[in-house]
Amino acid sequence: GAVVSQHPSRVICKSGTSVKIECRSLDFQATTMFWYRQFPKKSLMLMATSNEGSKATYEQGVEKDKFLINHASLTLSTLTVTSAHPEDSSFYICSARDLRGAGGSLYEQYFGPGTRLTVT
Amino acid sequence: AQSVTQLGSHVSVSEGALVLLRCNYSSSVPPYLFWYVQYPNQGLQLLLKYTTGATLVKGINGFEAEFKKSETSFHLTKPSAHMSDAAEYFCAVSWIKDYKLSFGAGTTVTVRA
Repeated sequence: GAVVSQHPSRVICKSGTSVKIECRSLDFQATTMFWYRQFPKKSLMLMATSNEGSKATYEQGVEKDKFLINHASLTLSTLTVTSAHPEDSSFYICSARDLRGAGGSLYEQYFGPGTRLTVT
Repeated sequence: AQSVTQLGSHVSVSEGALVLLRCNYSSSVPPYLFWYVQYPNQGLQLLLKYTTGATLVKGINGFEAEFKKSETSFHLTKPSAHMSDAAEYFCAVSWIKDYKLSFGAGTTVTVRA
């Protein structure tokens, strides 16, 4: 159980175009989803917290107009990179919290397999 | 400020040897603690977690970790390394006030035959 998928796994796009990445919780409902960015050989950097039915909360320094997040249902969150540029190339990972979690398990996050974005 | 520190960005061990990865956090309030493993070009997989109860936690693939409040540590160990343990390991902490995870910088483990 607690499987999170991401689509696509890899995407190459031209500079100036927009790219949408989907994050789905397959066998549970996710009250909260998170979006991370990971540079090569680096740790995960939290970009934003996404709650179903409300606006995402962005971390300091993350451009909300560039990285649009929509959490339309308890099983789907999307990240759209608008007007992508080469510096947006990165590995994007989402995670989700299980609505049914109790106690400390409420704080556990289940991670998707990641999406490799390359902007040319 | 609250932080997570992983000592050693790279650990190299021989197959069959002990694996020890260190993680310390800075907080007066005990957090929830996690260890995740990441294989190349993949997401993160939970190895083990400490929330409450027994301070020695056993996880998957033979890993275990001990929460030591007095030392603000949560070190990860495995008695005998296997080639398949070569990966990136992240210590993560959640400080209860919100549901965010703060990650350490990560430790790359290589296993020598």
